[in-house]
Amino acid sequence: DSGVTQTPKHLITATGQRVTLRCSPRSGDLSVYWYQQSLDQGLQFLIQYYNGEERAKGNILERFSAQQFPDLHSELNLSSLELGDSALYFCASSVFGSGSSYNEQFFGPGTRLTVL
Amino acid sequence: DAKTTQPTSMDCAEGRAANLPCNHSTISGNEYVYWYRQIHSQGPQYIIHGLKNNETNEMASLIITEDRKSSTLILPHATLRDTAVYYCIVSPSKNAGNMLTFGGGTRLMVKP
Repeated sequence: DSGVTQTPKHLITATGQRVTLRCSPRSGDLSVYWYQQSLDQGLQFLIQYYNGEERAKGNILERFSAQQFPDLHSELNLSSLELGDSALYFCASSVFGSGSSYNEQFFGPGTRLTVL
Repeated sequence: DAKTTQPTSMDCAEGRAANLPCNHSTISGNEYVYWYRQIHSQGPQYIIHGLKNNETNEMASLIITEDRKSSTLILPHATLRDTAVYYCIVSPSKNAGNMLTFGGGTRLMVKP
């Protein structure tokens, strides 16, 4: 158990819909990362938040957005869903935001999104 | 960020050492080598990291060549539970964020 929790575990929805994935980081971790894992693209970094502020952005679509709340939990919002958005979505957390040699990230169990 | 090259797959007999190579010939002086693994669609798990010295922890050893252009992750006594995809990642120590860039990894199959 990494200490990172993600809800829901599974999500099945239809094209065009909007969903929200939730992540609670390990106690004491200030950074939250979102990654997407699909069969054809592998594990890809989407976005990072550090202590409530966006720190880094990866290949995140404009239809996707995220935020980190004062209690440090984070939500990833996916809208206008397409079939190709079906994937595993992982959240990870770490103590540091950047500039540290110690980049151990703790990953949650993931949310499996299926878009029909 | 430096790119990494790993074999697509490897087999290892249970109880033997598993040696997983990684090439990172374009690595620069401030970049660390990290290893993570992913067991069957679970979240990736940190294993070990290093800069230029060899490192060992309770999970594995990391051997980095003197020129830092390649490294080897060693699982000293592989078990069936070590069957996973192993990712070698080069991560800069100072950048705008600490995101991990995953490649294809090596699928390690430990066989009885």
